[in-house]
Amino acid sequence: DAKTTQPNSMESNEEEPVHLPCNHSTISGTDYIHWYRQLPSQGPEYVIHGLTSNVNNRMASLAIAEDRKSSTLILHRATLRDAAVYYCILRGYGGSQGNLIFGKGTKLSVKP
Amino acid sequence: DTGVSQDPRHKITKRGQNVTFRCDPISEHNRLYWYRQTLGQGPEFLTYFQNEAQLEKSRLLSDRFSAERPKGSFSTLEIQRTEQGDSAMYLCASSLGAGQNEKLFFGSGTQLSVL
Repeated sequence: DAKTTQPNSMESNEEEPVHLPCNHSTISGTDYIHWYRQLPSQGPEYVIHGLTSNVNNRMASLAIAEDRKSSTLILHRATLRDAAVYYCILRGYGGSQGNLIFGKGTKLSVKP
Repeated sequence: DTGVSQDPRHKITKRGQNVTFRCDPISEHNRLYWYRQTLGQGPEFLTYFQNEAQLEKSRLLSDRFSAERPKGSFSTLEIQRTEQGDSAMYLCASSLGAGQNEKLFFGSGTQLSVL
């Protein structure tokens, strides 16, 4: 499975936008980009996913580069509750379809 | 819909003892996953079920680990002869299994401490 690279940590101020980057230079044409987040003492939580086009939902936006070698998760207005570890994961076709492979993610801190 | 439920939330055991964890997935979810997470690391895949069939097992899942999902509903994960290296958070997740659009719903996990 293709790997992703994320910064270990990022900081944000409350009510400001946050852009969480992810590099996936070895992505294949059929890999979907998934984002999960994990709040303290909880299991991971699905955030958003996409293939080629930018995606929006109530939680966040996903901006995918034209060459698909990178993507950015955008939280439009960070709240204290958004402090979590954010994981960028590639979900491929074939091979190990049955599982998500998590890296270490980006730990986001939100300051009041 | 109460989400994915795991029991117990915490388990402390002595090395060499057997432990069993239970996971109740979201009803009608046909896929069920087990992951393990140690401090500072992302979750690591252990195994998953499609209904009652165990379809994939990680090389992390040694012979001391066994998972079952007898009726395609709840699942159990048993660890025999526990070792200190088994100390971790054990996470369960379920999904409707929609291929690359699949969304996993995780429980809050069982924290295992082996003394």
